Amino acid sequence: DVKVTQSSRYLVKRTGEKVFLECVQDMDHENMFWYRQDPGLGLRLIYFSYDVKMKEKGDIPEGYSVSREKKERFSLILESASTNQTSMYLCASSLGANGNQPQHFGDGTRLSIL
Amino acid sequence: GNSVTQMEGPVTLSEEAFLTINCTYTATGYPSLFWYVQYPGEGLQLLLKATKADDKGSNKGFEATYRKETTSFHLEKGSVQVSDSAVYFCALTSYNFNKFYFGSGTKLNVKP
Repeated sequence: DVKVTQSSRYLVKRTGEKVFLECVQDMDHENMFWYRQDPGLGLRLIYFSYDVKMKEKGDIPEGYSVSREKKERFSLILESASTNQTSMYLCASSLGANGNQPQHFGDGTRLSIL
Repeated sequence: GNSVTQMEGPVTLSEEAFLTINCTYTATGYPSLFWYVQYPGEGLQLLLKATKADDKGSNKGFEATYRKETTSFHLEKGSVQVSDSAVYFCALTSYNFNKFYFGSGTKLNVKP
């Protein structure tokens, strides 16, 4: 089974801090994704990556950046955390680019910015 | 463009009732379609998928048929259990790096 591991289940940070959310997958997947999930808004794509050192903006990239130095690891960075970034963050990975492969999700990180 | 529309919840059923959660989509080309389930405090888990028209995906008693003529992928289960209480997401893929488009989710509450 595919395993997508997010480094923290719960995280509390302060406004203005630089925050790192880490995600690791163990199935050699090419594609990795970061979403945030908010009540009433569903899942919104922040960034995705289809290869090492490659990244593409999703629907809501403002205030975020990403890093993918190794194939198995995809990091989400909040450059200067703000209270409106309090949310559930979900990482996912998928195999290849042929359009019929499912995304596999981690358990999520619930981030609170105080 | 690509989009997914799901029926709004919450849906509340008694145990052993029949479940239908409606999902319709708009897509360019020939997308693959998926249902995911999210239990409280967890990430999304793949429930079933269908990759071409008339395919039926099934898993754990849930079924959904890819209907190209009605652009629909409705989720059904003949007899729900309390343990099925969760949020269900319909999704489709584009062929652009496997990018997904998710519906807004439908919360299901099953009462004993």
